[in-house]
Amino acid sequence: GAVVSQHPSRVICKSGTSVKIECRSLDFQATTMFWYRQFPKQSLMLMATSNEGSKATYEQGVEKDKFLINHASLTLSTLTVTSAHPEDSSFYICSARAPATSGVPSGELFFGEGSRLTVL
Amino acid sequence: GEDVEQSLFLSVREGDSSVINCTYTDSSSTYLYWYKQEPGAGLQLLTYIFSNMDMKQDQRLTVLLNKKDKHLSLRIADTQTGDSAIYFCAEIGAGSYQLTFGKGTKLSVIP
Repeated sequence: GAVVSQHPSRVICKSGTSVKIECRSLDFQATTMFWYRQFPKQSLMLMATSNEGSKATYEQGVEKDKFLINHASLTLSTLTVTSAHPEDSSFYICSARAPATSGVPSGELFFGEGSRLTVL
Repeated sequence: GEDVEQSLFLSVREGDSSVINCTYTDSSSTYLYWYKQEPGAGLQLLTYIFSNMDMKQDQRLTVLLNKKDKHLSLRIADTQTGDSAIYFCAEIGAGSYQLTFGKGTKLSVIP
């Protein structure tokens, strides 16, 4: 079963409204979560790194006031797309880093199922 | 920045083997990954290989790593229609926690 749950899986909203997407790690505590954006037929673009209890680290070119990230607990990170516009329509994917193990010292990354945002 | 390159499309007949190739530029790569993405879904980790290995086999999947040439491949034996998906190659560098992804290879399996 899924170890990272993302909600909602699909959302349609009107231009100018804000949308919140949740990312939850179900089986482990994740001090670090990542948010990606995927454009059609393209790879994932890392938007930001979400650290529990501190401010998110945004990649160059990503507007922090536009994409608000909150990592309030060890199992939940949220991405809020504020004042959404049609160009924000995309597939957003989160991932959470599991604790390091002997098999995967870097800590395995688990991905959510993704959230498709359509802004009308 | 570091780069990961993959061919965009691959088409194979059901039952044949598929080989998806990937090249990367980061000489400090520690782990290399293969992810599978089915339509409208998130990424599923298929397998990974540590940079000091040159081969890893896991059931129908075989990963080959040529560290000198910075070339990674994923071989799927006895390809099935359920293997149709986009396959992403990704790497993580030493001291880093961020993955760099390729653009993905769309595998189409012909019945």
